[in-house]
Amino acid sequence: EAGVTQFPSHSVIEKGQTVTLRCDPISGHDNLYWYRRVMGKEIKFLLHFVKESKQDESGMPNNRFLAERTGGTYSTLKVQPAELEDSGVYFCASSQDRVIAFFGQGTRLTVV
Amino acid sequence: AQSVTQPDIHITVSEGASLELRCNYSYGATPYLFWYVQSPGQGLQLLLKYFSGDTLVQGIKGFEAEFKRSQSSFNLRKPSVHWSDAAEYFCAVGRVTGGGNKLTFGTGTQLKVEL
Repeated sequence: EAGVTQFPSHSVIEKGQTVTLRCDPISGHDNLYWYRRVMGKEIKFLLHFVKESKQDESGMPNNRFLAERTGGTYSTLKVQPAELEDSGVYFCASSQDRVIAFFGQGTRLTVV
Repeated sequence: AQSVTQPDIHITVSEGASLELRCNYSYGATPYLFWYVQSPGQGLQLLLKYFSGDTLVQGIKGFEAEFKRSQSSFNLRKPSVHWSDAAEYFCAVGRVTGGGNKLTFGTGTQLKVEL
């Protein structure tokens, strides 16, 4: 069984540019989550999809962040325009129930 | 609001020695508690979880954790550490929402194993 897959693994962009991160969840998992770890700090919740609907987006930092989940399958997280403080590792996870067993390897975003 | 504290940022142990990683949480109700491990170059993997029942829970890779409500703790233990256990360990408390689980993580403990 394939795990949670994230693309790209690394991204370096300039301040003001746009970046789109992608997450492919485990097939059949209705729940999809985005988390972020800023260097030296804890992993923080961004948002939670149930199928294609946003269940909870209380962790999204501001309106420069836009998450979508097309047809309840893969998800994208767009940052536009990127700021220096957006740098960090963005993790995606999926689950069929209350237990998140695996997270993806993460996308390391560096804004310069 | 829920929160998790992992007081040890770095821990170094010798291979074969016992290990205990500390975790304290703050949560207004019965917590769902988790330990995750992130090995270099990998995503986070669930080691074990506590929802209810027996307060001593067994996980994968020989790990166990004990829930102590009176101390608001959920410490992770392993009797004998292997070099492959070198990784970063995260404690988390979860709140069920919409059939899923919203996790609040601690800052992580980086484990180094000396051969």
